[in-house]
Amino acid sequence: QVQLVQSGAGVKKPGSSVMVSCKASEGTFSTSTIAWVRQAPGQGLEWMGRIVPILGVTKYAEKFQGRVTITADRSTGTAHMELTSLRSEDTAIYYCAREINWFDPWGQGTLVTVSS
Amino acid sequence: QSALTQPASVSGSPGQSITISCSGTSSDAGNYDLVSWYQQHPGKVPKVIIYELTKRPSGVSNRFSGSKAGNTASLTISGLQAEDEADYYCCSSAGGGTWVFGGGTKLTVL
Repeated sequence: QVQLVQSGAGVKKPGSSVMVSCKASEGTFSTSTIAWVRQAPGQGLEWMGRIVPILGVTKYAEKFQGRVTITADRSTGTAHMELTSLRSEDTAIYYCAREINWFDPWGQGTLVTVSS
Repeated sequence: QSALTQPASVSGSPGQSITISCSGTSSDAGNYDLVSWYQQHPGKVPKVIIYELTKRPSGVSNRFSGSKAGNTASLTISGLQAEDEADYYCCSSAGGGTWVFGGGTKLTVL
């Protein structure tokens, strides 16, 4: 069964960038679609974008176009999400998840705090 | 891509049934049966409880069911139990490989 383990993030300054990584536990990574979803404190879930690793094809939510880049390293089974020009509103837990026609499983989440 | 509309909160007593609505448009929930529902307990990772509008993953209680009428999807929980107290989120395909979530509903079991 696929498990997703996330790493990265922490406290970032406004205007800087953050990268969060998501490693799949087994070899289905290449044939999966990996999505990124974030959740601001006390708020709802927000789909940011996705990548199909085997094709390297990405799709981003309009809101994040130009600020987010999702990449995948098939050799390590790891997806990466980079968000630039950080502002306080980007403070959130960032999740990766396998996207089928739904999202399952999810990574454990990574807290990104944007603060000066 | 506007968020789907859910009630902020619903409540019910143990044993009762409740329904959480998820209102979208003809560009998302109204046009696709790719609606899923997630349960999230405080501090925990979201868990899928309904996918493709009406299907339940293995291990999810049959007390959870999904449906849709027009642009509005619904999640019904029957025989409410204390452990059902959580936040619930709907999600729909919005076409073109994009997805949109609802704002979430806090379920309180009285």
